[in-house]
Amino acid sequence: QVQLVESGGGVVQPGRSLRLSCAASGFNFNNYGMHWVRQAPGKGLEWVAIIWFDGSHKYYADSVKGRFTIFRDNSNKTLHLEMNSLRVEDTAAYYCAIDYNSGWLGHWGQGTLVTVSS
Amino acid sequence: DIHMTQSPSSLSASVGDRVTITCRASQGIRNALGWYQHKPGQAPKRLIYAASSLQGGVPSRFSGSGSVTEFTLTISSLQPEDFATYYCLQYSDYPWTFGQGTRVEFK
Repeated sequence: QVQLVESGGGVVQPGRSLRLSCAASGFNFNNYGMHWVRQAPGKGLEWVAIIWFDGSHKYYADSVKGRFTIFRDNSNKTLHLEMNSLRVEDTAAYYCAIDYNSGWLGHWGQGTLVTVSS
Repeated sequence: DIHMTQSPSSLSASVGDRVTITCRASQGIRNALGWYQHKPGQAPKRLIYAASSLQGGVPSRFSGSGSVTEFTLTISSLQPEDFATYYCLQYSDYPWTFGQGTRVEFK
């Protein structure tokens, strides 16, 4: 069955970097665009970024543009989010999700928690 | 960027009530809007796509309407399993944006 497992979260100081990973299995990873979505404690969902199936196109939320980079390793079926210059407001649970077209985030991982604090 | 304004932020309702949630886009998005239901500890689930099309397997008590900038999610008769937080999501243009969410609570 489809499985997405995020990892890499933790506690980090403001200004530092962190890399999140999302290991995919149970579907043809190479054929699908992938997203990152986050949810700050007590807040709503925030779309973060998308990467096309072949890595050719990437788009970001304004709140992370220039600081975060989404990339993928299709040979290892893994999605990544490189987060630089982290801010307190980046504190959130980060989820990867599959793009099934037409705005459908069809499967989600269980999330990994990032806490940015001094 | 397209900003989605969702209202209300929360509502209290009883089983059997009709519930309406609204999303307004800061610019026209045609019908590129979906509605998601999110329960604690679970992945968000899409209910409606293209503003008014029911996702497969979703009960018919859920419906969506609207276009361009004004959109509505309606639950015709609220059921116990419908107590959750609901989000609209515009996918007309990048960056995609969610509404702020509507928490549906038991009255």
